[in-house]
Amino acid sequence: DTEVTQTPKHLVMGMTNKKSLKCEQHMGHRAMYWYKQKAKKPPELMFVYSYEKLSINESVPSRFSPECPNSSLLNLHLHALQPEDSALYLCASSQDRSGLAGGDTQYFGPGTRLTVL
Amino acid sequence: LAKTTQPISMDSYEGQEVNITCSHNNIATNDYITWYQQFPSQGPRFIIQGYKTKVTNEVASLFIPADRKSSTLSLPRVSLSDTAVYYCLVGDTGGFKTIFGAGTRLFVKA
Repeated sequence: DTEVTQTPKHLVMGMTNKKSLKCEQHMGHRAMYWYKQKAKKPPELMFVYSYEKLSINESVPSRFSPECPNSSLLNLHLHALQPEDSALYLCASSQDRSGLAGGDTQYFGPGTRLTVL
Repeated sequence: LAKTTQPISMDSYEGQEVNITCSHNNIATNDYITWYQQFPSQGPRFIIQGYKTKVTNEVASLFIPADRKSSTLSLPRVSLSDTAVYYCLVGDTGGFKTIFGAGTRLFVKA
């Protein structure tokens, strides 16, 4: 199974709502990532978890709150978002080859299309 | 992290070979070169990865010269379904900080 799944596929929320995006992988990967992608732009890294610990936070506003309950699951909690946060949110996972030779390949999910009204 | 530069867009016809070159002048010793393909409203998909010389898999080849300051993704006999954005990434083996460049929009015409 080389699949990363994301739910929901589409999400529309108001600026006062609280919602969560979910990501799951069963490849035994120990690194998981959240990216944000605006239309016709490349994905931008937001957060990285390694072995369930937050490894990288790319100065993301606190209205985005990541959570890694276990090695297979990654959540992104959303609160008080702005219309400019509307984007495709991508989750990815990788084996985490820290200290090992060889590149670490990321596997991406299909994304959640988020619209903030 | 090494910055990458790719052509913004390329056009091709079905059945042709397409070569997309990526420049990465500041590549570090530990850096690998990875290419991803992305269709609209989908997540990027891994195509190929290499460190030096030539790598080939069932979908593409990757050519890396000795100085490693550039790399070329070669797609043999493209079809309409190869129309997508192709990203070249450069990163080290233990780092997670992934920076996507602008990518190359490939449009394959009939």
